[in-house]
Amino acid sequence: QKEVEQDPGPLSVPEGAIVSLNCTYSNSAFQYFMWYRQYSRKGPELLMYTYSSGNKEDGRFTAQVDKSSKYISLFIRDSQPSDSATYLCAIQGAQKLVFGQGTRLTINP
Amino acid sequence: EAGVTQFPSHSVIEKGQTVTLRCDPISGHDNLYWYRRVMGKEIKFLLHFVKESKQDESGMPNNRFLAERTGGTYSTLKVQPAELEDSGVYFCASSQDGLVVNEQFFGPGTRLTVL
Repeated sequence: QKEVEQDPGPLSVPEGAIVSLNCTYSNSAFQYFMWYRQYSRKGPELLMYTYSSGNKEDGRFTAQVDKSSKYISLFIRDSQPSDSATYLCAIQGAQKLVFGQGTRLTINP
Repeated sequence: EAGVTQFPSHSVIEKGQTVTLRCDPISGHDNLYWYRRVMGKEIKFLLHFVKESKQDESGMPNNRFLAERTGGTYSTLKVQPAELEDSGVYFCASSQDGLVVNEQFFGPGTRLTVL
């Protein structure tokens, strides 16, 4: 069983839609949960992180963690074509990051 | 401020040859990481340096891979001899030390193709 499971998609939605991206994880010891965004031919860049359970909002983006079900989510409101990228969930385990497979997202104008 | 840089951006070699990848971290970042993404799979951790010392090399696939970070600045990852299954994108990342949240800054990656 993978430590972090993420549906690779691809996911295609119209501009302005609400996007929901999700991951599950297996190790309940994890405390820091991150979302990275990766544009084509670039390295991943940190979008936002959450500590333990709860929500965190940053502009159009909301990260949510439910530790009881080992489920993490990223919501994008009012999606824009510039949001088209691969979104990777990642768990901070000690110093290293454990990534999900990434979901390729396309926002259609 | 310059980000993490990696060289080369692409490398195509034949099975059995040697390849050396280079990573220059963000200045002042003591932590340096190597990750790899094989096609169709997730990005996987290879190893972690703190300054010039290997802190965790649990992700290194086998002894054909050798990573160094002389002087605690740039790092190299050598694959010798390369095999077909070594093809993928190799990412380097760096982060500051002493922070609770380990925000790692990634380079653009080196795309390695072994024929």
